[in-house]
Amino acid sequence: QSALTQPASVSGSPGQSITISCTGTTRDVESYNLVAWYQQHPGRTPKLMIYEDTKRPSGVSNRFSGSKSGNTASLTISGLQAEDEADYYCCSYANNNKLVFGGGTKLTVL
Amino acid sequence: EVQVLESGGGLVEPGGSLRLSCAGSGFSFTTYDMTWVRQAPGKGLEWVSSISKIGGITYNADSVKGRFTISRDNSKNTVYLQMNSLRAEDTAMYYCAKGVGDHYYYGMDVWGQGTTVTVSS
Repeated sequence: QSALTQPASVSGSPGQSITISCTGTTRDVESYNLVAWYQQHPGRTPKLMIYEDTKRPSGVSNRFSGSKSGNTASLTISGLQAEDEADYYCCSYANNNKLVFGGGTKLTVL
Repeated sequence: EVQVLESGGGLVEPGGSLRLSCAGSGFSFTTYDMTWVRQAPGKGLEWVSSISKIGGITYNADSVKGRFTISRDNSKNTVYLQMNSLRAEDTAMYYCAKGVGDHYYYGMDVWGQGTTVTVSS
């Protein structure tokens, strides 16, 4: 199962909005509404930010939103804050009961 | 507090075996699928294995199929990962995570601090 494709890095200034893409195939992202997004600060455990493409767990800021079009899912962070600087991973359900992660995107808040 | 706590990591020689444990607390353990995810040093997250609530159905990544076995003991609120025929490329931090919703593939909302596995001679 091939990994989902994410940009290696994105950056933005405080207050701006950024979007991280996650490109898959018809075997995963495109065929199921089961993309999740995780935030991981250096040396910390991953945190669920979005699940089932667009749902936000309780306690996660509404500045984080998920969307999908075809084989590409996206995570948008609005009103960037310094604390948002972290690595972000997408993850999708894939054919044959697999889960597949993206390679991760390092977000830098300038 | 809802939490999971991993244990059992360590240093093992190539070809050796190790069993990881993950104890859940603060939630109804039998209501949720459980998953193991690993992260090699400086690398991204990789799904390893998942197990259904009752334990009757397991799912494995191709990279560990035939070598790793996930299981659970609901009477002990614990999930296990038996790792055999270990290779250098299995060196990683291993995280245990609780599923959100009815199935493992919806997402993982509670993660442990991880346990480190190092495969080296």
